[in-house]
Amino acid sequence: GEDVEQSLFLSVREGDSSVINCTYTDSSSTYLYWYKQEPGAGLQLLTYIFSNMDMKQDQRLTVLLNKKDKHLSLRIADTQTGDSAIYFCAGRNTGFQKLVFGTGTRLLVSP
Amino acid sequence: DTEVTQTPKHLVMGMTNKKSLKCEQHMGHRAMYWYKQKAKKPPELMFVYSYEKLSINESVPSRFSPECPNSSLLNLHLHALQPEDSALYLCASSQVGRAATYEQYFGPGTRLTVT
Repeated sequence: GEDVEQSLFLSVREGDSSVINCTYTDSSSTYLYWYKQEPGAGLQLLTYIFSNMDMKQDQRLTVLLNKKDKHLSLRIADTQTGDSAIYFCAGRNTGFQKLVFGTGTRLLVSP
Repeated sequence: DTEVTQTPKHLVMGMTNKKSLKCEQHMGHRAMYWYKQKAKKPPELMFVYSYEKLSINESVPSRFSPECPNSSLLNLHLHALQPEDSALYLCASSQVGRAATYEQYFGPGTRLTVT
């Protein structure tokens, strides 16, 4: 099965940019997603990218996909304390409904 | 509207109890999902319903019994659970079909404690 790895923890100051990274083993993932989870809450879909794209920008969020290195990243510009949460990347193959989640990265934003 | 609702928010049950978790969506999605999430871990898929039919069962023990009465509702019936089943149970829904992008929208979860 696919493995999706993320670094465990990232700490930034308010106003800085945050970059959360994700590496995956299965290059057949055709849809890649980023989710945010605040303590005690469900997962909030932030954005997604198709494997035929290299980049997608959505307001403060920029997703970069490097298919050659099987690397996905999420950049949050002007990070705010409200961005403190766990961020999961997830991949899905065409025709399959199962999401494979990364291990999650805890982002801590300090004032 | 991208809201998925789940009830109850919290549930404490003994190992001999029978209880049910409920999930509802009104986005017209025809796929619904149950996930289990332990602390500091990613969600683990349990069941998938497509067009009200069970399409994926990830080898979940029979003490968990899913039900999809209609396209908007999803239940998870619980019976004779073990303490290790304590977790956050998440429901999600998505479109299906050739034009669908399949992004899943999650509910807030039910925090289950088995005593």
